[in-house]
Amino acid sequence: GAGVSQSPSNKVTEKGKDVELRCDPISGHTALYWYRQSLGQGLEFLIYFQGNSAPDKSGLPSDRFSAERTGGSVSTLTIQRTQQEDSAVYLCASSRSVLDTQYFGPGTRLTVL
Amino acid sequence: AQSVSQHNHHVILSEAASLELGCNYSYGGTVNLFWYVQYPGQHLQLLLKYFSGDPLVKGIKGFEAEFIKSKFSFNLRKPSVQWSDTAEYFCAVIPRGGSWGKLQFGAGTQVVVTP
Repeated sequence: GAGVSQSPSNKVTEKGKDVELRCDPISGHTALYWYRQSLGQGLEFLIYFQGNSAPDKSGLPSDRFSAERTGGSVSTLTIQRTQQEDSAVYLCASSRSVLDTQYFGPGTRLTVL
Repeated sequence: AQSVSQHNHHVILSEAASLELGCNYSYGGTVNLFWYVQYPGQHLQLLLKYFSGDPLVKGIKGFEAEFIKSKFSFNLRKPSVQWSDTAEYFCAVIPRGGSWGKLQFGAGTQVVVTP
């Protein structure tokens, strides 16, 4: 595909449920990133993957958040036991290397009721 | 704390006016610098970037930015804005040491261009 794709585009869930958000990076990009965009916090880094290295999880806000990247391509961000403060737009980006330009997907808007 | 600061949260201006958005960062050492734009209902798009070389960089849609190392600044400019430039603009930094891959964003500047 031409760009980063994310699914679903919108997700409404009830407090306490688990959710999975998916990201398909640009083909050939070795680095993949997750960010969160919310009204109160702006754009926050969550986690990134670079090749086969261990991911940098330093931005994950709690242990309810986890992510994996299978086969060096698709990534899934999982939020367990969702809380209302998890409501935000979750953005995925990819780049050829960790210093290169990051290209963003359209995001998944998560609403926790 | 290390950070990226954008000077204005909201800017309103008329078509054909000139635009300058300020961005300062507090990271020492070498940085990669970016301006991203988010048009209403659309995803983040790269406007321009600076890695090295000529500190005056040109981007898409007539935008340019100047890196001034001594001032830790990377200000965005456009000589004559159009209504279609209405968007939110984000300055972002990747420090080259110790924070590989983590784009650090400013809070964003909402720009409204009136006809």
